[in-house]
Amino acid sequence: GAGVSQSPSNKVTEKGKDVELRCDPISGHTALYWYRQSLGQGLEFLIYFQGNSAPDKSGLPSDRFSAERTGGSVSTLTIQRTQQEDSAVYLCASKPGQAYNEQFFGPGTRLTVL
Amino acid sequence: KQEVTQIPAALSVPEGENLVLNCSFTDSAIYNLQWFRQDPGKGLTSLLLIQSSQREQTSGRLNASLDKSSGRSTLYIAASQPGDSATYLCALDTDKLIFGTGTRLQVFP
Repeated sequence: GAGVSQSPSNKVTEKGKDVELRCDPISGHTALYWYRQSLGQGLEFLIYFQGNSAPDKSGLPSDRFSAERTGGSVSTLTIQRTQQEDSAVYLCASKPGQAYNEQFFGPGTRLTVL
Repeated sequence: KQEVTQIPAALSVPEGENLVLNCSFTDSAIYNLQWFRQDPGKGLTSLLLIQSSQREQTSGRLNASLDKSSGRSTLYIAASQPGDSATYLCALDTDKLIFGTGTRLQVFP
């Protein structure tokens, strides 16, 4: 079946602009995650959605970052007033709801802020 | 706070060698431990998942072990090939994944 998909694959934007990144999880997966991979920080957790529960936003680096998940499926990560330090690869993952399952990752969106 | 460390940070070996990549962590309260492979400019490919109640998992030339009491996991790669060249990441699953620092592997012909 189809895996996790993300769009766009690459995004170049100017400092101060807002960007939206999209994630389509595997059908039927109730858990969805966003991670960020940057040169200086490695791979870090951003936000986690599980079913209808309130999302775990503990990894969001600032209030410029937000995410939503509509209808328990597609998710959008929004970065407002982008800064150069936001440049990174943003990865989305999903898994079936049970805790002991593995996460499956999308190909990522490479964001470059000029 | 969970900390995940991988040793070595980089490794360069001739093909055919058997390899051991190490992952250590500070908090044993985990659901799973996952090993991933990442090729340059690409996403993450899951290699093996070990649930917290398990001791090891095998897939082809790969074997991963988990020792929660000592806070360690080992990825063993048998008969390495140039196609194994990539960065290998371990990740602890505590609802969200906490990634290690990675081991960059190069296998030369």
